Amino acid sequence: SQQGEEDPQALSIQEGENATMNCSYKTSINNLQWYRQNSGRGLVHLILIRSNEREKHSGRLRVTLDTSKKSSSLLITASRAADTASYFCATGPNSGNTPLVFGKGTRLSVIA
Amino acid sequence: NAGVTQTPKFQVLKTGQSMTLQCAQDMNHNSMYWYRQDPGMGLRLIYYSASEGTTDKGEVPNGYNVSRLNKREFSLRLESAAPSQTSVYFCASSTPSTPQFTFGSGTRLTVV
Repeated sequence: SQQGEEDPQALSIQEGENATMNCSYKTSINNLQWYRQNSGRGLVHLILIRSNEREKHSGRLRVTLDTSKKSSSLLITASRAADTASYFCATGPNSGNTPLVFGKGTRLSVIA
Repeated sequence: NAGVTQTPKFQVLKTGQSMTLQCAQDMNHNSMYWYRQDPGMGLRLIYYSASEGTTDKGEVPNGYNVSRLNKREFSLRLESAAPSQTSVYFCASSTPSTPQFTFGSGTRLTVV
């Protein structure tokens, strides 16, 4: 069963706008990760936030984590057409040797 | 290029046929995983291997077997393919020092 659930399922925005995706999870976690999947490709790791962190930045990406609410958000600023992809959150109880549990993903479309 | 290599990329099987999906990583990762991805279902874990010599069932193991041949290679076998196993299969690897997963490009399997 999915641990993380992304919201919304689909999002369509204009180029230059910001895109926000949310993820909720059910059990205690060690870290939460976000991945991107372009159509027909494998998943690519974007960013990892540990349970003792509240916010993390990487380029145009900003991730927040609220462990009290068991939720995370991914913000993509100044979106580009190349950001069109599906985005997944993934959670795991330990680091590096146990499976990640993935949500169903948010499908982002950035219109030029 | 370092990474996870999956073969084949595409395969069509008839119901009842068997096949083995191959996965190899050259990053010296300890753990390897097999997921399947179906439309609207996200990624679901089939089997994983936390370290060489060990394998464990995931969420959807029925109809599959795995072999951790050595540290580099983790294969997934379908003994008697069924149409319900039509899916895209992804192999991934990780290690405690790098908890983010590295994914292969996937195998698109159709069972007719």
